[in-house]
Amino acid sequence: AQKITQTQPGMFVQEKEAVTLDCTYDTSDPSYGLFWYKQPSSGEMIFLIYQGSYDQQNATEGRYSLNFQKARKSANLVISASQLGDSAMYFCAMRPPYGGATNKLIFGTGTLLAVQP
Amino acid sequence: NAGVMQNPRHLVRRRGQEARLRCSPMKGHSHVYWYRQLPEEGLKFMVYLQKENIIDESGMPKERFSAEFPKEGPSILRIQQVVRGDSAAYFCASQSSTLPGNTIYFGEGSWLTVV
Repeated sequence: AQKITQTQPGMFVQEKEAVTLDCTYDTSDPSYGLFWYKQPSSGEMIFLIYQGSYDQQNATEGRYSLNFQKARKSANLVISASQLGDSAMYFCAMRPPYGGATNKLIFGTGTLLAVQP
Repeated sequence: NAGVMQNPRHLVRRRGQEARLRCSPMKGHSHVYWYRQLPEEGLKFMVYLQKENIIDESGMPKERFSAEFPKEGPSILRIQQVVRGDSAAYFCASQSSTLPGNTIYFGEGSWLTVV
């Protein structure tokens, strides 16, 4: 069965520093997709970054990058130069193999990030 | 993200009443998903719909819950005879296609409180 694990319930980071949020996944399928979403206190789910299992390079989107280590089945999110507005809950999610009848996402339990001034 | 519109944002119902949550996907998106987020938990898949069809409802409770995505109009998640355990945030997401790399965008959620 597919599973996403986020082992850090909460983290602190100083403003302007970089922070890594951990995510490991478990799947026996060779093709899948990995997502990171941000959920601020207002509640909406904001898409941050996507990594396909066959992508050769790690995904980057502005200050967000995904440290994808396929052999270790990890997809850690790196936020560079943290800002106060980055304080939020962060969810890692996995999508099942390409070509499946559904693209339902499997979510981790989330990491609450607090950026300190 | 703002393209997926959900309403109402907040809904309060007494036990036994019905709750109807609406979702209009992003323009051009024909794939709609509903997820539920219980307090202090991640999102859990409920149902996947395309226009006029339920494709995957493996995450839906067997009773009291139903979903539709008619040819015209928004997708509706309907919860009959609500109980306190139904209190949660319900998120709708949409996608233009299921091709690899297609991002799934979420709405802002509907918070249901059952009193």
